[in-house]
Amino acid sequence: GIQVEQSPPDLILQEGANSTLRCNFSDSVNNLQWFHQNPWGQLINLFYIPSGTKQNGRLSATTVATERYSLLYISSSQTTDSGVYFCAVAQTGANNLFFGTGTRLTVIP
Amino acid sequence: GAVVSQHPSRVICKSGTSVKIECRSLDFQATTMFWYRQFPKQSLMLMATSNEGSKATYEQGVEKDKFLINHASLTLSTLTVTSAHPEDSSFYICSAREPGSPSEAFFGQGTRLTVV
Repeated sequence: GIQVEQSPPDLILQEGANSTLRCNFSDSVNNLQWFHQNPWGQLINLFYIPSGTKQNGRLSATTVATERYSLLYISSSQTTDSGVYFCAVAQTGANNLFFGTGTRLTVIP
Repeated sequence: GAVVSQHPSRVICKSGTSVKIECRSLDFQATTMFWYRQFPKQSLMLMATSNEGSKATYEQGVEKDKFLINHASLTLSTLTVTSAHPEDSSFYICSAREPGSPSEAFFGQGTRLTVV
């Protein structure tokens, strides 16, 4: 099956700092999503971005499907940004999402 | 975005009993739903794809007799953990995608199962 690797696995930031999270995948995809998992386990949809660039407030994402990676940018980080960030992909022709290894972000005041 | 509701959010059961978890798409019809399992500090692992009106498709290594999936209607899929044991304790979460392919997936709140 498709392999999805995220980096870095852990990230500690000072409040106000910027960061870039990366997602690499091993095959062509028709769906890529970024999620934030809160401390209660709920997955919050951040971006549906199989290709191109999107922005939502302090967050933005870029997917370069031809090079099989996606980036999530967090600017001016806040303590509420803490949690685990997952990317998930579906291979071209398939419906099921496979999750990456995750990045655990801790933002300290 | 679309809403997927999962119930219960937390359940504790005795070893040997069965537990049913429900997943509903509240504002759209979903011919396909997905069930995931997550162990502490790990990623989500796809267990099975639930297909309305037909048998579920299980991922390699997932026991279909242990994890019974029923997709009885276009808005409801259920996962039953049969004869639960402590090693089945985990976080289970379901997902559904809006009609049209490809499309964005939305997730339920998850169910934390503890088997004692």
